[in-house]
Amino acid sequence: AQSVSQHNHHVILSEAASLELGCNYSYGGTVNLFWYVQYPGQHLQLLLKYFSGDPLVKGIKGFEAEFIKSKFSFNLRKPSVQWSDTAEYFCAVTRSFGNEKLTFGTGTRLTIIP
Amino acid sequence: KAGVTQTPRYLIKTRGQQVTLSCSPISGHRSVSWYQQTPGQGLQFLFEYFSETQRNKGNFPGRFSGRQFSNSRSEMNVSTLELGDSALYLCASSLAEGNTGELFFGEGSRLTVL
Repeated sequence: AQSVSQHNHHVILSEAASLELGCNYSYGGTVNLFWYVQYPGQHLQLLLKYFSGDPLVKGIKGFEAEFIKSKFSFNLRKPSVQWSDTAEYFCAVTRSFGNEKLTFGTGTRLTIIP
Repeated sequence: KAGVTQTPRYLIKTRGQQVTLSCSPISGHRSVSWYQQTPGQGLQFLFEYFSETQRNKGNFPGRFSGRQFSNSRSEMNVSTLELGDSALYLCASSLAEGNTGELFFGEGSRLTVL
């Protein structure tokens, strides 16, 4: 069964610091990759997604992620974080074809210190 | 347009009771998925419905069941509640079947089992 690993459980950064959150998945086939964000008290929402093409994808609020197929990774990055980026971030994977469930990682809690 | 609506938002039950949670998807969305969210476990997939048919099922015991109506609204039921069922239950809808597209999440139903 496919699985998703997010090794950073809680990350604390100061404003303006650069961010990189790790995401690795186990499935070796063609995959669709997602990052979702859950701001405090709000519902989960899509940050960015990768289906095919340019492995560097850009999402909302200045976030980007790079798909590295050889490393089975889809790390999330932001050059300069803001206090409003405080949230929980979830990586998710599904097969590109067929009727597969979306498998989520356990999430990374990001705390930005003003 | 209106987002995914889940009711009730909060509920408290005791062990042995049963509970029914409701989800109204975004208008036009025919796929509804349910997830259980707990601290440290992330989002665990429960099931997915598309056009009133269960398309996918996660690794949860038979006490967890669901259904989808002709108007795409969905319900999930948990019988014989256990303390470990305390969690945030999230519903997500999408246009496409099988989670190959973006999921739109509701705010969840927070269940506490005493």
